[in-house]
Amino acid sequence: DSGVTQTPKHLITATGQRVTLRCSPRSGDLSVYWYQQSLDQGLQFLIQYYNGEERAKGNILERFSAQQFPDLHSELNLSSLELGDSALYFCASSEGGQGVIQYFGAGTRLSVL
Amino acid sequence: AQSVTQLGSHVSVSEGALVLLRCNYSSSVPPYLFWYVQYPNQGLQLLLKYTTGATLVKGINGFEAEFKKSETSFHLTKPSAHMSDAAEYFCAVRYSGNTPLVFGKGTRLSVIA
Repeated sequence: DSGVTQTPKHLITATGQRVTLRCSPRSGDLSVYWYQQSLDQGLQFLIQYYNGEERAKGNILERFSAQQFPDLHSELNLSSLELGDSALYFCASSEGGQGVIQYFGAGTRLSVL
Repeated sequence: AQSVTQLGSHVSVSEGALVLLRCNYSSSVPPYLFWYVQYPNQGLQLLLKYTTGATLVKGINGFEAEFKKSETSFHLTKPSAHMSDAAEYFCAVRYSGNTPLVFGKGTRLSVIA
């Protein structure tokens, strides 16, 4: 158990809908990262938050947004969903400052029908 | 741009045989290097990491990897494969603490009895 909790485990929805994925980092970790894993693109970094502030952006679509709350949990919001958004979404956390190791949650599998 | 290349999307070995999974990275500065393993329907688990110091690093489950700066490589090895090693393996790189990981495409390891 990595200590990173992601909910829900599975999500099935229709095109055009909006969903929210939730991540609770390990106790004490200040950084949260979101990654998308798909068959064609592999594992791609989406966005990073550090202590409530956006720190880095990767290949995140404009239809996607995220935030990190004062209790350090994070949510990834996906809107106007398309078939191609079907993927496994991972959250990872690391210590603040120079935290080298990222610990991954079990992921949320999103299926857009 | 940072990139990671994993040679071979699928590697098959016999039980008890040597496991060698290849990883090369592009970098102009010394990176932090990681190997993660993903078992079916699970998240990513850290196998081992290289940050500084000894270039041969040992990880969990009998795996080890050697950082070779001259070859920009970080190949993963295990002397004797076990059936339980069957999984997807990802090489990843980052260039400082608190930055996102850049992943390779992954190598699926099959172990044949």
